Amino acid sequence: SAVISQKPSRDICQRGTSLTIQCQVDSQVTMMFWYRQQPGQSLTLIATANQGSEATYESGFVIDKFPISRPNLTFSTLTVSNMSPEDSSIYLCSVEDWRHGNTEAFFGQGTRLTVV
Amino acid sequence: QKEVEQDPGPLSVPEGAIVSLNCTYSNSAFQYFMWYRQYSRKGPELLMYTYSSGNKEDGRFTAQVDKSSKYISLFIRDSQPSDSATYLCAMSLDRGSTLGRLYFGRGTQLTVWP
Repeated sequence: SAVISQKPSRDICQRGTSLTIQCQVDSQVTMMFWYRQQPGQSLTLIATANQGSEATYESGFVIDKFPISRPNLTFSTLTVSNMSPEDSSIYLCSVEDWRHGNTEAFFGQGTRLTVV
Repeated sequence: QKEVEQDPGPLSVPEGAIVSLNCTYSNSAFQYFMWYRQYSRKGPELLMYTYSSGNKEDGRFTAQVDKSSKYISLFIRDSQPSDSATYLCAMSLDRGSTLGRLYFGRGTQLTVWP
């Protein structure tokens, strides 16, 4: 199964600044996903990132706020721009991989962001 | 109405107990049903994966899907303190070879005490 590394694991940021989160996978994958996990809420998909094309954003999320890069098949970044305390959350990278005859979704350990 | 509903608990049981975790959903188009386990400060880890209705067993874990009732369950037998974690149900539409977007419940926090 795919092994996913996220950096940083946690950060405390000032409001108005931006943070870029990196996601590195140990194998080539077509689709990478970015989720947000707010306290007490369900994981929510922010966007889907395919290599060589623009990311596809879910309702309520926009590129200006969450720009995404996907330069190759093993790496992606998510930037949280012009942060406010409402952006305090855990951000998770996810990939699909083929295992045991099924497509399964795997997650990184997450980036815990606190905006002050 | 949220697409996936899950009681957040917390749920606290003694070691050896049978644990029942449940989710309901509203979208009848969901075809893939998953249970993830998430330890504190870790990412979700896939536990069980079921396509369409039926039961699936893996060791102490049994997943059940009842599409007619839009209801899924995870049973943990002989629960252990190491099972203490948050359990997330997740679902996806049938997109062929890809799962695409997963729809998650809020997660149920489980504590198994010795």
